[in-house]
Amino acid sequence: DIVMTQTPLSLSVTPGQPASISCKSSQSLLHSDGKTYLYWYLQKPGQPPQLLIYEVSKRSSGVPDRFSGSGSGTDFTLKISRVEAEDVGVYYCMQSIQFLWTFGQGTKVEIK
Amino acid sequence: EVQLVESGGGLVQPGRSLRLSCVASGFTFDDYAMHWVRQAPGKGLEWVSGISWSSGRIGYADSVKGRFTISRDNAKNSLYLQMNSLRAEDTALYYCAKGLGDYWGQGTLVTVSS
Repeated sequence: DIVMTQTPLSLSVTPGQPASISCKSSQSLLHSDGKTYLYWYLQKPGQPPQLLIYEVSKRSSGVPDRFSGSGSGTDFTLKISRVEAEDVGVYYCMQSIQFLWTFGQGTKVEIK
Repeated sequence: EVQLVESGGGLVQPGRSLRLSCVASGFTFDDYAMHWVRQAPGKGLEWVSGISWSSGRIGYADSVKGRFTISRDNAKNSLYLQMNSLRAEDTALYYCAKGLGDYWGQGTLVTVSS
């Protein structure tokens, strides 16, 4: 199984400041079809995970452009250019290159 | 609008069975693989099982292999998870998810306790 490792596990950010979360996979997520199957989710308290970013850097519909994803192969990053109060929650990376999905441990983001 | 609505959760004693359902709407159900993901209270996300559009490919997490069975009925736009020999550690919110994870339901809570 592919192991997904996120850092940091928690983040306290001042509103308006940037934030960055790293996700590393134990195997390359680049598929033979040319796509890289790395996803980012935000789970707000009491809600299911909502898709933010798919295929490393593509924003899901309705996701503000302050969210961006980057990376390749096994190293990926989610960046929030200016954190807002509504961005609090737990962020997860996920791989779906294998039928058996695996998730990072989650990064809890709170506002200072 | 894509909707995934899970049902069938509840309180069940260890060793007993439960069947979860997920009814899908807003997309062509039989075009997509479907998955079950669970989240134990206060914990992270754990993939449980997945099934291809045709049911030709099925996978399970090691933690549920031999106890859980995933199935689907494309005519009813429905996904199922038959859970047997339930254990306390199966207590979780169970989500169904579409395709590669672009849409998730609200989840149904399974509590295994005597």
